[in-house]
Amino acid sequence: AQSVTQPDIHITVSEGASLELRCNYSYGATPYLFWYVQSPGQGLQLLLKYFSGDTLVQGIKGFEAEFKRSQSSFNLRKPSVHWSDAAEYFCAVGGVLTGGGNKLTFGTGTQLKVEL
Amino acid sequence: KAGVTQTPRYLIKTRGQQVTLSCSPISGHRSVSWYQQTPGQGLQFLFEYFSETQRNKGNFPGRFSGRQFSNSRSEMNVSTLELGDSALYLCASSTETGGGNTIYFGEGSWLTVV
Repeated sequence: AQSVTQPDIHITVSEGASLELRCNYSYGATPYLFWYVQSPGQGLQLLLKYFSGDTLVQGIKGFEAEFKRSQSSFNLRKPSVHWSDAAEYFCAVGGVLTGGGNKLTFGTGTQLKVEL
Repeated sequence: KAGVTQTPRYLIKTRGQQVTLSCSPISGHRSVSWYQQTPGQGLQFLFEYFSETQRNKGNFPGRFSGRQFSNSRSEMNVSTLELGDSALYLCASSTETGGGNTIYFGEGSWLTVV
């Protein structure tokens, strides 16, 4: 079945440590790929997106993501996590493969906790 | 430039009532989408409007409806509210439709059905 999967429901890291959040998709081809972050009680903020081209994408707040076609993955990374990064992170896919228009299909999210 | 604005931010309704939520997209954006977010089902696409036409629809019952006005502002309506409709409703806007666009979200409207 077509889907986007975030295997980790919760992740805890220490402040200053590196971070990698996993995202896998299952479609016949490569959809448009996005990462969003949601702070408690807030809407979604776009961190970065991948449509084509360079497989390493730079985003806001020091985040980056790497697209790997062979693994159908689009993992989010940050070299050094700050306490303010504690939030929920959503991977999303879009484009014709997921229904067309601007429809996004979201993963179930990864809740990030940062220990001081 | 103002972001996506949703009103009201919080509301409480009684089962069986109806509710209308409003969304003002970013200036110049013609596509407006709506999503429902719940702890159990996560983020689910409701529908997308572009230039006053519904372009896409998610898998929700007919109680959920929407519309878009000529100034791109959008409203969604839920009739005959059920307890399970309690959720955060998010509106998102983009300049164009067709995929591959940057999509911006509002802060949402929190609906509680009692």
